[in-house]
Amino acid sequence: DGGITQSPKYLFRKEGQNVTLSCEQNLNHDAMYWYRQDPGQGLRLIYYSQIVNDFQKGDIAEGYSVSREKKESFPLTVTSAQKNPTAFYLCASSISAKPYSGNTIYFGEGSWLTVV
Amino acid sequence: DAKTTQPTSMDCAEGRAANLPCNHSTISGNEYVYWYRQIHSQGPQYIIHGLKNNETNEMASLIITEDRKSSTLILPHATLRDTAVYYCIVRVALTGGGNKLTFGTGTQLKVEL
Repeated sequence: DGGITQSPKYLFRKEGQNVTLSCEQNLNHDAMYWYRQDPGQGLRLIYYSQIVNDFQKGDIAEGYSVSREKKESFPLTVTSAQKNPTAFYLCASSISAKPYSGNTIYFGEGSWLTVV
Repeated sequence: DAKTTQPTSMDCAEGRAANLPCNHSTISGNEYVYWYRQIHSQGPQYIIHGLKNNETNEMASLIITEDRKSSTLILPHATLRDTAVYYCIVRVALTGGGNKLTFGTGTQLKVEL
């Protein structure tokens, strides 16, 4: 089946540790995105990538880093610099990220990160 | 960013049509309106999107007013499984290229027997 796979579903991290969330898509999409969702809130954009080896900061990039070495993969690292990392993280992709495009953005099932 | 306004919550009887309103009065002429829904602890599920014309698919219908300042998502025969948070979103361009979906807090739809 085609889709977006995020792993792990649940992750616990000690304060001061970096952690990497995996996102893989087999939809042959050029654009990929990372969003963060806090309980009872909407989604906020962390980083996005329009093409391999390119990515831009979203609205809340501080304390996060990404890479896009392969078209199908867009891992997100939550660093120790992120002050409040406990949240639900969602990866998404679309055929392209062209402005005013009508193509659909599809989401993975999300990863829960808890700092203990 | 174009902002959207939705009611916080709505109830609907099973088997009846659920009509979810959304205001987006600052939308630009080339910005699309998207609808997603999210069940707790799952990723948002795409429902439908449109630019100017009304749209229909197997899940729902989207009615966009002529001035594009508001829209309504219609679930024609709501079931208990349609209970979720529904997000009305305007897709906006990013200054660095690309575009994003700006999510608000959505409408909690509760379908009851």
